[in-house]
Amino acid sequence: DTGVSQNPRHKITKRGQNVTFRCDPISEHNRLYWYRQTLGQGPEFLTYFQNEAQLEKSRLLSDRFSAERPKGSFSTLEIQRTEQGDSAMYLCASSWTSGAYNEQFFGPGTRLTVL
Amino acid sequence: AQSVTQLDSHVSVSEGTPVLLRCNYSSSYSPSLFWYVQHPNKGLQLLLKYTSAATLVKGINGFEAEFKKSETSFHLTKPSAHMSDAAEYFCVVNSRGSQGNLIFGKGTKLSVKP
Repeated sequence: DTGVSQNPRHKITKRGQNVTFRCDPISEHNRLYWYRQTLGQGPEFLTYFQNEAQLEKSRLLSDRFSAERPKGSFSTLEIQRTEQGDSAMYLCASSWTSGAYNEQFFGPGTRLTVL
Repeated sequence: AQSVTQLDSHVSVSEGTPVLLRCNYSSSYSPSLFWYVQHPNKGLQLLLKYTSAATLVKGINGFEAEFKKSETSFHLTKPSAHMSDAAEYFCVVNSRGSQGNLIFGKGTKLSVKP
């Protein structure tokens, strides 16, 4: 299967610790997105990359969050000094900008629990 | 600014009866609209998409949606519900016509009774 993969699937951490998540997009896709989904809500946009360039960041992405996409392939999302409010499902999606429309394919997500 | 409003947080139907999940949108651009489905412990899956071609859009698993510009609506329907349709459904609009990030509604949980 060559879909979007995310690791780990689950992460439990203590408040104040740093965590890092990885996303591997569909190989030919040049765009990669991060979203966050809290319980009972729809996913909310965090940031996206086109190739290795981070083109947009949402106001939800505080200074404790950083994302990278070295070489335009996989991406990592790091949260420093985690807080209980960071507990959520973190979703990654990828797409190919064909000029037609931007169909995004989602990974299974990483569920973060901050104790 | 682009936004979507899902009018029902929970819809319950009996197996074999029609499904209607309602969504209204607001968009400054000619919108690209989507319906995604999320089964428990599974990733989001695209059901169907509207990208300014036909106003009646057919998707997977017998779902379809009709784009009505005059009503700013994009309701999802299925003639006959199946138990496997029980899931969370999200109405989604692209933030910038066809090339931006996705803006999700709050979701509608569909329950299907035997």
